[in-house]
Amino acid sequence: AQSVAQPEDQVNVAEGNPLTVKCTYSVSGNPYLFWYVQYPNRGLQFLLKYITGDNLVKGSYGFEAEFNKSQTSFHLKKPSALVSDSALYFCAVRDMRNNAGNMLTFGGGTRLMVKP
Amino acid sequence: NAGVTQTPKFRILKIGQSMTLQCTQDMNHNYMYWYRQDPGMGLKLIYYSVGAGITDKGEVPNGYNVSRSTTEDFPLRLELAAPSQTSVYFCASSYLDLAAPTTDTQYFGPGTRLTVL
Repeated sequence: AQSVAQPEDQVNVAEGNPLTVKCTYSVSGNPYLFWYVQYPNRGLQFLLKYITGDNLVKGSYGFEAEFNKSQTSFHLKKPSALVSDSALYFCAVRDMRNNAGNMLTFGGGTRLMVKP
Repeated sequence: NAGVTQTPKFRILKIGQSMTLQCTQDMNHNYMYWYRQDPGMGLKLIYYSVGAGITDKGEVPNGYNVSRSTTEDFPLRLELAAPSQTSVYFCASSYLDLAAPTTDTQYFGPGTRLTVL
């Protein structure tokens, strides 16, 4: 069975500093990986995805993620954090089993707190 | 486009009551999904649909039913509400191109917060 782990419940960073939100995955075949962000009382918003190709994926709001096959990781990064980046971040992996209906398996989420 | 819309935003039910959570998308997406999000947890798939008239169970379908009579609408029915169904429910949709079936992106609605007392 596939799974996603987000080892940090919360990440604290000062505004202007680089940020990293960690994600590791376990799949039996090729990984298809996603990052979503959830602001308070809102639905999930798509940030970026890795399907194939370049290991560095650029997404919305200045975020990027680095796919590392040998470490089975897909960490989310941003060079300079903003207070408005404070939110809940979810990593997800596409279930490629035939009977799964393209289901996404989500990690438990990481709360990012950016302090002024 | 409004995207994915859900109603109601909040609801309190008593044990044993029933209700329908509404979900509508205006993006002509073929796939639709219902997830639940429990506190401190990721989302778990309840049901999904690959097109009008076709639905299938996800990871946690017990206690729920769905129907998909149109491309746009995908309501979720709770028949006998239980405290374990207290959660936030998210509807999502995506367009799955059979020529590139792994590349679709799911877009989520704002959620329905349900409390069962």
